[in-house]
Amino acid sequence: DGGITQSPKYLFRKEGQNVTLSCEQNLNHDAMYWYRQDPGQGLRLIYYSQIVNDFQKGDIAEGYSVSREKKESFPLTVTSAQKNPTAFYLCASIPVRGTEAFFGQGTRLTVV
Amino acid sequence: RKEVEQDPGPFNVPEGATVAFNCTYSNSASQSFFWYRQDCRKEPKLLMSVYSSGNEDGRFTAQLNRASQYISLLIRDSKLSDSATYLCVVNQGGKLIFGQGTELSVKP
Repeated sequence: DGGITQSPKYLFRKEGQNVTLSCEQNLNHDAMYWYRQDPGQGLRLIYYSQIVNDFQKGDIAEGYSVSREKKESFPLTVTSAQKNPTAFYLCASIPVRGTEAFFGQGTRLTVV
Repeated sequence: RKEVEQDPGPFNVPEGATVAFNCTYSNSASQSFFWYRQDCRKEPKLLMSVYSSGNEDGRFTAQLNRASQYISLLIRDSKLSDSATYLCVVNQGGKLIFGQGTELSVKP
């Protein structure tokens, strides 16, 4: 089945540790996105990539890093510089500009 | 000013009511527009794309006004199962921007 897979679904980390969230898609989509959602709030864009080996900062990129070495994969690293990393992280992809975004099921990151 | 702004919620309505959600966007170069639905602790799911001519899908009607930079979603004959958060989404040259969402609660 085609789709977007985020892993893990739940992640716990100690404060000060870097952590990498996985996002893989087999839909052959060009563009991929990372969002953060805090309780009761909308989705805020962290980073996005429209083509392999290229990505752009979103509205809240500080404390995060990404790579896009393969079309299918867009991992997000939450670094120790991110002040409040506990949140729900969502990955999305779209095939061409202007069409529907498909989402993974999300990763809930808790930093203790 | 936020790039995409929605009506603040929550909206609490009885079953059978008609409810309208509004959304404004700041960048006139925005290319495409969508309404998504998000259930609690789940990923968003596409509800409707929004076209300049307006479009309807059963009880749901979406409208776009490019001149006013405004989109809307109308839900007629609300069902209990319509209870969710509704997100307005704008595509600006490949950058997908979400509104903060409007929560709808439909009561018996």
